Amino acid sequence: KQEVTQIPAALSVPEGENLVLNCSFTDSAIYNLQWFRQDPGKGLTSLLLIQSSQREQTSGRLNASLDKSSGRSTLYIAASQPGDSATYLCAVIMNTGFQKLVFGTGTRLLVSP
Amino acid sequence: DGGITQSPKYLFRKEGQNVTLSCEQNLNHDAMYWYRQDPGQGLRLIYYSQIVNDFQKGDIAEGYSVSREKKESFPLTVTSAQKNPTAFYLCASRRLAGTQETQYFGPGTRLLVL
Repeated sequence: KQEVTQIPAALSVPEGENLVLNCSFTDSAIYNLQWFRQDPGKGLTSLLLIQSSQREQTSGRLNASLDKSSGRSTLYIAASQPGDSATYLCAVIMNTGFQKLVFGTGTRLLVSP
Repeated sequence: DGGITQSPKYLFRKEGQNVTLSCEQNLNHDAMYWYRQDPGQGLRLIYYSQIVNDFQKGDIAEGYSVSREKKESFPLTVTSAQKNPTAFYLCASRRLAGTQETQYFGPGTRLLVL
């Protein structure tokens, strides 16, 4: 059974810092991996999707990497801003035909001005 | 504007009562999903549907029921058999054409028990 773990559970940093969020998964037979952002009491917004054949994806100040063999992904946020404060969720996509997502428990990020 | 709407934003359930959460999308997506989110836990899949009049159980379907009579709509009923219904419920949809199509999520419904 696929299990997804995110470390740390919570992170507090001053504005401007570069930071790394970690995601690990137990079954390397994944199809894709996706990072989402969730603001309090809101739905999920997709940030980056990494295909299993890719090593990384970039969007603006965000960079996500994927190492299937070791079962790890990292989300790098450059020059953090208070607006980045949210919960970040990692999800692995299992190729089960209907795109089953298995989610981690998330990292709650607070960026202070 | 295209998107996914969920209503109501907050829903209160009394003991022994069935309640229905609404999910509507105007994205012309084929597949729709229901997830449950509890504090400190990841999202868990309740039900999903890939086409009209067809749906499948997810990992935690007990105590829930769904219908898919229209492509745009995928309502979730929380029955009295669900003993711990308090949670945040998220609906998602996805276009099936193309393997890289992501799931788009609605704003969620928070269900509370009176």
